[in-house]
Amino acid sequence: QVQLQQWGAGLLKPSETLSLTCAVYGGSFRGYYWSWIRQPPGKGLEWIGEINDSGSTNYSPSLKSRVTISVDTSKNQFSLRLNSVTAADTAIYYCARSLTVVTHLLGYWGQGTPVTVSS
Amino acid sequence: QSVLTQPPSASGTPGQRVTISCSGSSSNIGDNYVYWYQQLPGTAPKLLIYRSNQRPSGVPDRFSGSKSGTSASLAISGLRSEDEADYYCAAWDDSLSAVLFGGGTKLTVL
Repeated sequence: QVQLQQWGAGLLKPSETLSLTCAVYGGSFRGYYWSWIRQPPGKGLEWIGEINDSGSTNYSPSLKSRVTISVDTSKNQFSLRLNSVTAADTAIYYCARSLTVVTHLLGYWGQGTPVTVSS
Repeated sequence: QSVLTQPPSASGTPGQRVTISCSGSSSNIGDNYVYWYQQLPGTAPKLLIYRSNQRPSGVPDRFSGSKSGTSASLAISGLRSEDEADYYCAAWDDSLSAVLFGGGTKLTVL
Protein backbone atom coordinates (compact mmCIF):
# COMPACT_ATOMS: atom_id res chain seq x y z
CA GLN A 1 0.00 0.00 0.00
CA VAL A 2 1.38 3.37 -1.04
CA GLN A 3 1.82 5.87 1.78
CA LEU A 4 3.07 9.43 1.53
CA GLN A 5 4.40 11.14 4.65
CA GLN A 6 5.22 14.81 4.48
CA TRP A 7 6.86 17.33 6.77
CA GLY A 8 8.25 20.85 6.89
CA ALA A 9 8.12 24.18 8.66
CA GLY A 10 4.59 25.29 9.46
CA LEU A 11 5.14 28.96 10.30
CA LEU A 12 6.98 31.39 8.04
CA LYS A 13 7.50 35.13 7.86
CA PRO A 14 6.86 37.08 4.64
CA SER A 15 9.74 36.84 2.14
CA GLU A 16 11.00 33.55 3.60
CA THR A 17 11.24 30.28 1.67
CA LEU A 18 8.73 27.48 2.21
CA SER A 19 10.35 24.04 2.26
CA LEU A 20 8.47 20.72 2.44
CA THR A 21 9.52 17.12 1.88
CA CYS A 22 7.43 14.05 1.09
CA ALA A 23 8.62 10.48 1.67
CA VAL A 24 7.08 7.56 -0.20
CA TYR A 25 6.58 4.15 1.38
CA GLY A 26 5.36 1.06 -0.47
CA GLY A 27 5.20 0.65 -4.24
CA SER A 28 7.73 1.74 -6.81
CA PHE A 29 9.11 5.24 -6.91
CA ARG A 30 10.05 5.04 -10.55
CA GLY A 31 7.79 5.90 -13.45
CA TYR A 32 5.26 7.97 -11.57
CA TYR A 33 4.59 11.69 -11.36
CA TRP A 34 4.98 13.28 -7.92
CA SER A 35 2.95 16.42 -7.29
CA TRP A 36 2.43 19.19 -4.79
CA ILE A 37 -1.03 20.72 -4.31
CA ARG A 38 -2.20 23.39 -1.91
CA GLN A 39 -5.51 24.50 -0.42
CA PRO A 40 -5.91 27.97 1.15
CA PRO A 41 -8.26 28.14 4.14
CA GLY A 42 -11.84 27.71 3.00
CA LYS A 43 -10.86 27.53 -0.67
CA GLY A 44 -10.34 24.92 -3.38
CA LEU A 45 -7.41 22.84 -4.53
CA GLU A 46 -4.54 24.40 -6.50
CA TRP A 47 -1.95 22.26 -8.28
CA ILE A 48 1.57 23.60 -7.77
CA GLY A 49 3.65 21.30 -9.92
CA GLU A 50 5.08 17.84 -10.46
CA ILE A 51 8.30 15.93 -11.00
CA ASN A 52 9.09 12.43 -12.23
CA ASP A 53 11.92 10.16 -11.17
CA SER A 54 14.08 11.48 -14.01
CA GLY A 55 13.80 14.99 -12.61
CA SER A 56 11.55 16.35 -15.35
CA THR A 57 9.20 19.00 -13.98
CA ASN A 58 6.00 20.82 -14.84
CA TYR A 59 4.83 23.82 -12.86
CA SER A 60 1.66 25.85 -12.54
CA PRO A 61 2.07 28.94 -14.72
CA SER A 62 0.94 31.17 -11.85
CA LEU A 63 3.64 29.89 -9.45
CA LYS A 64 6.41 28.89 -11.85
CA SER A 65 8.66 31.85 -11.06
CA ARG A 66 8.83 30.98 -7.34
CA VAL A 67 8.66 27.16 -7.27
CA THR A 68 11.27 24.44 -7.35
CA ILE A 69 10.40 20.76 -7.03
CA SER A 70 13.25 18.29 -6.64
CA VAL A 71 13.56 14.54 -6.20
CA ASP A 72 15.92 12.23 -4.32
CA THR A 73 15.38 8.74 -5.71
CA SER A 74 17.91 7.23 -3.30
CA LYS A 75 15.60 8.15 -0.42
CA ASN A 76 12.26 7.85 -2.26
CA GLN A 77 11.58 11.49 -1.43
CA PHE A 78 10.64 14.64 -3.27
CA SER A 79 10.61 18.23 -2.08
CA LEU A 80 8.98 21.60 -2.63
CA ARG A 81 10.55 25.02 -2.29
CA LEU A 82 8.48 28.18 -2.69
CA ASN A 83 10.38 31.45 -2.55
CA SER A 84 9.35 34.88 -1.31
CA VAL A 85 6.20 33.74 0.46
CA THR A 86 3.39 36.12 1.40
CA ALA A 87 0.19 35.74 3.38
CA ALA A 88 -1.48 34.53 0.17
CA ASP A 89 0.67 31.38 0.38
CA THR A 90 -0.98 30.36 3.65
CA ALA A 91 -2.55 26.98 2.94
CA ILE A 92 -2.55 23.26 3.59
CA TYR A 93 0.07 21.74 1.31
CA TYR A 94 -0.38 18.18 0.05
CA CYS A 95 2.02 15.86 -1.72
CA ALA A 96 0.58 13.23 -4.05
CA ARG A 97 1.46 10.47 -6.50
CA SER A 98 -0.05 9.88 -9.90
CA LEU A 99 -2.47 6.96 -10.03
CA THR A 100 -0.47 5.11 -12.66
CA VAL A 101 2.70 5.62 -14.67
CA VAL A 102 0.69 6.73 -17.70
CA THR A 103 -1.23 9.57 -16.10
CA HIS A 104 -0.37 12.82 -14.35
CA LEU A 105 -3.57 12.73 -12.32
CA LEU A 106 -3.38 12.01 -8.64
CA GLY A 107 -4.24 8.74 -6.97
CA TYR A 108 -2.54 8.84 -3.58
CA TRP A 109 -2.27 11.80 -1.24
CA GLY A 110 -0.23 12.71 1.81
CA GLN A 111 -1.86 13.85 5.02
CA GLY A 112 -1.28 17.54 4.36
CA THR A 113 0.93 20.10 6.10
CA PRO A 114 -0.58 23.40 7.24
CA VAL A 115 1.64 26.37 6.47
CA THR A 116 0.98 29.84 7.83
CA VAL A 117 2.75 32.95 6.60
CA SER A 118 2.57 35.78 9.12
CA SER A 119 4.81 38.53 10.38
CA GLN B 1 -10.79 31.59 -11.09
CA SER B 2 -10.54 27.91 -12.01
CA VAL B 3 -10.27 26.83 -15.65
CA LEU B 4 -12.57 23.89 -14.92
CA THR B 5 -15.99 25.20 -13.91
CA GLN B 6 -18.13 23.53 -11.26
CA PRO B 7 -21.25 24.78 -9.47
CA PRO B 8 -20.23 25.99 -6.00
CA SER B 9 -23.00 24.04 -4.29
CA ALA B 10 -25.42 21.17 -4.71
CA SER B 11 -27.92 19.54 -2.41
CA GLY B 12 -30.32 16.65 -2.10
CA THR B 13 -32.28 14.61 0.37
CA PRO B 14 -31.36 11.08 1.46
CA GLY B 15 -32.07 8.56 -1.27
CA GLN B 16 -32.09 11.14 -4.05
CA ARG B 17 -29.80 11.28 -7.07
CA VAL B 18 -27.66 14.36 -7.56
CA THR B 19 -25.28 15.32 -10.33
CA ILE B 20 -22.32 17.70 -10.30
CA SER B 21 -21.08 19.15 -13.56
CA CYS B 22 -17.57 20.10 -14.63
CA SER B 23 -16.98 22.20 -17.73
CA GLY B 24 -13.65 22.68 -19.46
CA SER B 25 -12.20 23.08 -22.92
CA SER B 26 -10.68 21.10 -25.76
CA SER B 27 -7.19 21.24 -24.25
CA ASN B 28 -8.22 19.60 -20.98
CA ILE B 29 -11.51 17.69 -20.64
CA GLY B 30 -11.98 17.52 -24.39
CA ASP B 31 -8.78 15.59 -24.89
CA ASN B 32 -8.10 13.87 -21.56
CA TYR B 33 -9.68 11.79 -18.86
CA VAL B 34 -11.47 13.44 -15.94
CA TYR B 35 -10.80 12.50 -12.33
CA TRP B 36 -13.11 13.24 -9.40
CA TYR B 37 -12.09 13.64 -5.76
CA GLN B 38 -14.12 13.67 -2.56
CA GLN B 39 -12.87 15.74 0.36
CA LEU B 40 -14.51 15.20 3.72
CA PRO B 41 -14.09 17.99 6.28
CA GLY B 42 -10.59 18.15 7.70
CA THR B 43 -9.19 15.37 5.53
CA ALA B 44 -7.09 14.98 2.40
CA PRO B 45 -8.90 14.50 -0.91
CA LYS B 46 -9.73 10.93 -1.89
CA LEU B 47 -9.91 9.58 -5.43
CA LEU B 48 -13.51 8.84 -6.36
CA ILE B 49 -13.52 8.40 -10.15
CA TYR B 50 -10.61 7.95 -12.56
CA ARG B 51 -10.44 7.80 -16.36
CA SER B 52 -13.77 9.67 -16.44
CA ASN B 53 -15.96 6.71 -15.41
CA GLN B 54 -13.90 4.15 -13.46
CA ARG B 55 -14.25 3.56 -9.72
CA PRO B 56 -11.27 2.60 -7.56
CA SER B 57 -11.68 -0.45 -5.39
CA GLY B 58 -13.77 0.38 -2.33
CA VAL B 59 -15.78 3.22 -3.87
CA PRO B 60 -19.49 2.35 -3.83
CA ASP B 61 -21.25 1.94 -7.16
CA ARG B 62 -23.59 4.74 -6.10
CA PHE B 63 -20.89 7.00 -7.51
CA SER B 64 -20.56 7.21 -11.29
CA GLY B 65 -18.82 9.47 -13.76
CA SER B 66 -19.36 10.40 -17.38
CA LYS B 67 -17.81 12.65 -19.98
CA SER B 68 -19.10 14.17 -23.19
CA GLY B 69 -17.08 16.59 -25.27
CA THR B 70 -15.63 19.27 -23.01
CA SER B 71 -17.86 18.53 -20.03
CA ALA B 72 -18.04 15.84 -17.39
CA SER B 73 -20.44 14.87 -14.64
CA LEU B 74 -20.36 13.06 -11.34
CA ALA B 75 -23.59 11.36 -10.29
CA ILE B 76 -24.38 10.16 -6.80
CA SER B 77 -27.44 7.96 -6.42
CA GLY B 78 -29.08 6.82 -3.19
CA LEU B 79 -27.71 9.89 -1.42
CA ARG B 80 -26.52 9.31 2.13
CA SER B 81 -25.59 11.70 4.93
CA GLU B 82 -21.97 10.59 4.76
CA ASP B 83 -21.77 11.85 1.17
CA GLU B 84 -21.81 15.41 2.49
CA ALA B 85 -18.42 16.69 1.33
CA ASP B 86 -16.61 18.84 -1.21
CA TYR B 87 -16.19 17.34 -4.68
CA TYR B 88 -13.52 18.35 -7.17
CA CYS B 89 -13.03 17.48 -10.82
CA ALA B 90 -9.55 17.49 -12.35
CA ALA B 91 -7.94 16.97 -15.72
CA TRP B 92 -4.60 17.35 -17.46
CA ASP B 93 -4.31 20.37 -19.72
CA ASP B 94 -2.22 19.76 -22.85
CA SER B 95 -1.67 23.47 -23.56
CA LEU B 96 -0.53 24.38 -20.07
CA SER B 97 1.16 21.04 -19.29
CA ALA B 98 -0.55 21.25 -15.92
CA VAL B 99 -3.12 19.52 -13.76
CA LEU B 100 -6.25 21.64 -13.47
CA PHE B 101 -8.82 21.42 -10.70
CA GLY B 102 -12.37 22.65 -10.73
CA GLY B 103 -13.32 25.15 -8.06
CA GLY B 104 -15.11 22.48 -6.06
CA THR B 105 -18.75 21.76 -5.27
CA LYS B 106 -20.00 21.61 -1.70
CA LEU B 107 -22.65 18.88 -1.45
CA THR B 108 -25.21 19.24 1.33
CA VAL B 109 -27.48 16.36 2.31
CA LEU B 110 -30.68 17.95 3.61
